[in-house]
Amino acid sequence: DTGVSQDPRHKITKRGQNVTFRCDPISEHNRLYWYRQTLGQGPEFLTYFQNEAQLEKSRLLSDRFSAERPKGSFSTLEIQRTEQGDSAMYLCASSLERRYSGNTIYFGEGSWLTVV
Amino acid sequence: GQNIDQPTEMTATEGAIVQINCTYQTSGFNGLFWYQQHAGEAPTFLSYNVLDGLEEKGRFSSFLSRSKGYSYLLLKELQMKDSASYLCAVPYNTDKLIFGTGTRLQVFP
Repeated sequence: DTGVSQDPRHKITKRGQNVTFRCDPISEHNRLYWYRQTLGQGPEFLTYFQNEAQLEKSRLLSDRFSAERPKGSFSTLEIQRTEQGDSAMYLCASSLERRYSGNTIYFGEGSWLTVV
Repeated sequence: GQNIDQPTEMTATEGAIVQINCTYQTSGFNGLFWYQQHAGEAPTFLSYNVLDGLEEKGRFSSFLSRSKGYSYLLLKELQMKDSASYLCAVPYNTDKLIFGTGTRLQVFP
């Protein structure tokens, strides 16, 4: 089963360090999303790609955050100069664009970030 | 903009039926999704409604009323493994999903 996979699953880092998360979407999916989720909240949209183009970025995505999807396949999310408020689960999701029906989004298992 | 409201927590007994409500306000409607999320795990897709009415899928059913901006998820014959958060979500713009805060359901024996 080649679902959405994320790496690493858990990361503990010191404040001020940089971290990078990787996401491999379902192979035929052309859309890739990044969400952030904290305890007791629903996922919050960060950004999304259609193929290699980054089409939208949330205001939540400060200039310390950058996401890439260089060849339209896997994606990376980098957080520079991490802060304690960045501690959260970072969820990657993918979907296949369909013209006439809802595009079901499939999530990966998430990458837990703890900034100490 | 988008606004989604759902109860924060619910409790129910094993074998019972529970209904989780979701009200939404959206500029333009492109359907409504329900996801299930167990603690510490990723959300998993349950249902998608774009037309009014009830859609049944085994023990789970989802209802939509577009005129009322209202949906519910109905879980029958509750099992302990149904203890999870249930997330209501609507697409915004080009299909990015906006989620509610989720309803945490606890099933007791």
